[in-house]
Parts: sequence; C-alpha cells; structure tokens
Amino acid sequence: GQNIDQPTEMTATEGAIVQINCTYQTSGFNGLFWYQQHAGEAPTFLSYNVLDGLEEKGRFSSFLSRSKGYSYLLLKELQMKDSASYLCVLNQAGTALIFGKGTTLSVSS
Amino acid sequence: DTAVSQTPKYLVTQMGNDKSIKCEQNLGHDTMYWYKQDSKKFLKIMFSYNNKELIINETVPNRFSPKSPDKAHLNLHINSLELGDSAVYFCASSYTSGRAVNEQFFGPGTRLTVL
Repeated sequence: GQNIDQPTEMTATEGAIVQINCTYQTSGFNGLFWYQQHAGEAPTFLSYNVLDGLEEKGRFSSFLSRSKGYSYLLLKELQMKDSASYLCVLNQAGTALIFGKGTTLSVSS
Repeated sequence: DTAVSQTPKYLVTQMGNDKSIKCEQNLGHDTMYWYKQDSKKFLKIMFSYNNKELIINETVPNRFSPKSPDKAHLNLHINSLELGDSAVYFCASSYTSGRAVNEQFFGPGTRLTVL
C-alpha cells in the first residue's frame, strides 16, 4: 500500500524561506514529484527526485531520503505568487502516481 | 499551442443525465490519465491509458467509461450523473519509459456541477 503525509497548511512572509515536508510509505518506490497548484488551476510540475539528495532549480529545491521515506520542498525568497497548494506525489512502481493531499502555503507581505 | 486541452471547462447538468468530457494532447505522449479532484482538493487517479490500452482502472463506478480513439485523445463519458460526481476532472499525459513514469502535464480541468 502507500501513504503520503504532508502538513495541511503553512504560512510565511515575503522574502522568507519555507520548507514543506513530506513522508511516505510505499511498497514500490520509483521516484517522488512535487507539483504546484494555484487555486482553480491545473497542477504544474516543480521537481522530481529518484535518488537521494538535493535537486536545486532556481528558488526551489527538493530533497529525498529513500531510507527514511522523506522528502522536502524548499522555497527561498518567497514571493506572493508562491501562495498555492504544493503536492507531494509518489511515483509508485508501474504507471500510477499517488498524490498527497497537498500543503496550502499562504505568503503574506 | 495548448499542450493538454479539455472541453468543456465548465459543465453544469442535472442528476441522471449522461455527459462527456474530451481531452486532447499534442505532446506526442503515449500515456493519458483522468484524475478527479474533490471539494477537499484531493487529486485521485481514475484511469490511465497507454497507447490506447487501459492500464489503470481504479475503484470507479462503472458509470464512468473512458474511451481512447487514438494516442492523442482520451475522453470520459459519465452515465446517470449523481450529486457526488461534482468535482474538477483533470486530464493529464506523459511519456512512459519502461517502468518509470515521467513528468505529467495536466489539462486546465473541467469543473462538473451536478444539480
């Protein structure tokens, strides 16, 4: 089976750094995605980790530890437009993606 | 130039009706998906087609029937609509190489409201 846990809500201020954690359990790990979804819009791809370590992409970084079943998404220099839901998505062996319930991030000035 | 497109964007209908949602992708992907996002924003996979063949069929009422006429299209037909079917339905597509799944590209979503 599979289970994904991430915080429901987080708040932060412009310019700050925020880390969104995700823990998971799966019987067939094949990678982990992070997606961003603004209200009323489609999810969009942010990052993909399949090996342990940190993947950096501009202001966003994602980290994976397979042994711990743990990932985080790090957002630096927060901007108002970063207010969105961040989805931790498990790539289970095969072709299924399992979506977490998402973390709603609110960025204030 | 839209990568993954869905029609209609909004669909309001009465209980008991039959409706279809269409999806097309012009990315040359070999796999397409339908997801349902409920009022709690939880995104859950319903179906997946790879090269027009059904490969994932989650626990979905058989009132929902996907149809893939070709690799670029995956339509969703829903019979006898119920109130609980109200949700946003997202189509997505990706390449599938071996047992790996690559990034999925999502359509804009279809907001279905059943009255």
